[in-house]
Amino acid sequence: DAMVIQNPRYQVTQFGKPVTLSCSQTLNHNVMYWYQQKSSQAPKLLFHYYDKDFNNEADTPDNFQSRRPNTSFCFLDIRSPGLGDAAMYLCATSRVGRQETQYFGPGTRLLVL
Amino acid sequence: AQSVSQHNHHVILSEAASLELGCNYSYGGTVNLFWYVQYPGQHLQLLLKYFSGDPLVKGIKGFEAEFIKSKFSFNLRKPSVQWSDTAEYFCAATYNNNDMRFGAGTRLTVKP
Repeated sequence: DAMVIQNPRYQVTQFGKPVTLSCSQTLNHNVMYWYQQKSSQAPKLLFHYYDKDFNNEADTPDNFQSRRPNTSFCFLDIRSPGLGDAAMYLCATSRVGRQETQYFGPGTRLLVL
Repeated sequence: AQSVSQHNHHVILSEAASLELGCNYSYGGTVNLFWYVQYPGQHLQLLLKYFSGDPLVKGIKGFEAEFIKSKFSFNLRKPSVQWSDTAEYFCAATYNNNDMRFGAGTRLTVKP
């Protein structure tokens, strides 16, 4: 089945220790997104890629970076995680166009010690 | 700023009760509206979406939503809920691009 896969499902890191979350898709979608979702809050868009074009949200901290080496994979790098970065990180994909459905992965829950 | 608001944080219903979850969006020109559902331990899934045409949209699992432009609303409804509808429900909107704005979500608990 075509899907969006996120690994790992749970990630524990130490304060200040870089961490990378990964996302892959078999849908062949042009657009890939990363969202941050904290408890009882709405998913918040961090950035997205149109193919290789990177689009950063204005309020996304510099601590968050992303890479998309090919159509299928996208990575979220947190350079120096703080306690406030503990959250669920959601990856999604879609075709280009505002009417297009976004397909979500199961998320990676990040815990910062 | 473009935003989506959901009125209810947590709704508790008995099976067979009718459901209506509120969603309002801010004005921003042409808007496309979505309802997503997240069952316990699962990923976000699309329930239904509205782009244009008939303002009453039918989705999966017996859900529907009505777009009322004058009220900037897109409320989700189901005539008779089941225990399996227990989940978190998110309203979302896209405006001029792919950027999706989510509401804070409404947790629905259906008692058997």
